[in-house]
Amino acid sequence: QVQLQESGPGLLKPSQTLSLTCTVSGASISSGTYYWSWIRQPAGKGLEWIGRIYSSGSTSYYPSLKSRVTISLDTSKNQFSLKLTSATAADTAVYYCATDLGKFDFWGQGTLVTVSS
Amino acid sequence: EIVLTQSPGTLSLPPGEGATLSCRASQSVDSNFLAWYLHKPGQAPRLLIYGASNRATGIPDRFSGSGSGTDFTLTISRLEPEDFAVYYCQHYARSPWTFGQGTKVEIK
Repeated sequence: QVQLQESGPGLLKPSQTLSLTCTVSGASISSGTYYWSWIRQPAGKGLEWIGRIYSSGSTSYYPSLKSRVTISLDTSKNQFSLKLTSATAADTAVYYCATDLGKFDFWGQGTLVTVSS
Repeated sequence: EIVLTQSPGTLSLPPGEGATLSCRASQSVDSNFLAWYLHKPGQAPRLLIYGASNRATGIPDRFSGSGSGTDFTLTISRLEPEDFAVYYCQHYARSPWTFGQGTKVEIK
């Protein structure tokens, strides 16, 4: 059973960079078994896939976010991270990390990030 | 990108009734790479169905998925109290992956 846990600041100001980390247990992020994804849910809205990374470091991002998003791996800590630059109120959401085989089998519990001055 | 449209937006049903949820894609979903999730407030979404019709591990058989091409259906044969939640479809035919806007199944 793969377990994931998101962590990071819950509040940031507009124009700052949103940074989150996902700590994985029960699987090695460098094994190549899964891709590793970030997904978010703005309040009152549906789910939105942000992007993913593979053990090779290869990434894929949602087109409308691509210019602001970076997903990276830290294999020494079995973690992967999300950075979203130039945050605005529209980026306020619950952020989830998940295993990605196209379908998302395992998810973290989610972390709320609020962008507000 | 493939746009997924779910209907209805809200379904009000009593426990014990059956539910039929629809997911329509703007383009054909290759290889039926379509998944369904159940999402309750404050919890992580839970994978129910993948490949349009395959139940995920531990999912009871009252949940079934069907469809192909652009039209997909999630059927819940008899609603249990724990089934009242929001349901999302999601495709993984080609990047970017996208989700439908969700169907809320509420207690009548």
